[in-house]
Amino acid sequence: QKEVEQDPGPLSVPEGAIVSLNCTYSNSAFQYFMWYRQYSRKGPELLMYTYSSGNKEDGRFTAQVDKSSKYISLFIRDSQPSDSATYLCAMILIIQGAQKLVFGQGTRLTINP
Amino acid sequence: DGGITQSPKYLFRKEGQNVTLSCEQNLNHDAMYWYRQDPGQGLRLIYYSQIVNDFQKGDIAEGYSVSREKKESFPLTVTSAQKNPTAFYLCASSIDSKSPWVYEQYFGPGTRLTVT
Repeated sequence: QKEVEQDPGPLSVPEGAIVSLNCTYSNSAFQYFMWYRQYSRKGPELLMYTYSSGNKEDGRFTAQVDKSSKYISLFIRDSQPSDSATYLCAMILIIQGAQKLVFGQGTRLTINP
Repeated sequence: DGGITQSPKYLFRKEGQNVTLSCEQNLNHDAMYWYRQDPGQGLRLIYYSQIVNDFQKGDIAEGYSVSREKKESFPLTVTSAQKNPTAFYLCASSIDSKSPWVYEQYFGPGTRLTVT
């Protein structure tokens, strides 16, 4: 079983729809939760990160963490074609003073005009 | 412009040859990382370095080697011992990697390596 599970999709929705992307994890030692966006043939870029359970909003993006269920989500409101990318969830473990980032498989998202 | 550069963008090699991927950063970051990305598997950590002249194995270090002689450079060598070297390789850096502070990892544009 992978430490972090993410549905690889692909997910295709019409422009303007609300998108929900999800990850589950098995290791309760994960302390920080992140969402990266990766455009085709590019490196990932950090979208949002959060530490505690609850919601964090940034513009059209909302990150949600439920530590009791070991479940995180990213919601995109009013989705745009420019949101088409692969979205990777990532979680941080602290091991012997070093931060280790563990990624989900990534979900490929397409927003259709 | 500050950032991370990786070269080349595309690399082709014959099986049995070693190949070195370049990663340079001018962000003055202490920590640097190498990841491998395969379709449907996300990113997996190959090696990381917290300071110059020191590095540690990640989850899939077999068949790879690194060096960290300068703060700004962290080259990765894919050796002939790596059984499935064809992949997208990403280099990243962060201010440092020590707890309790969490620092963002900045990624380079990646190198796509094809071995035939």
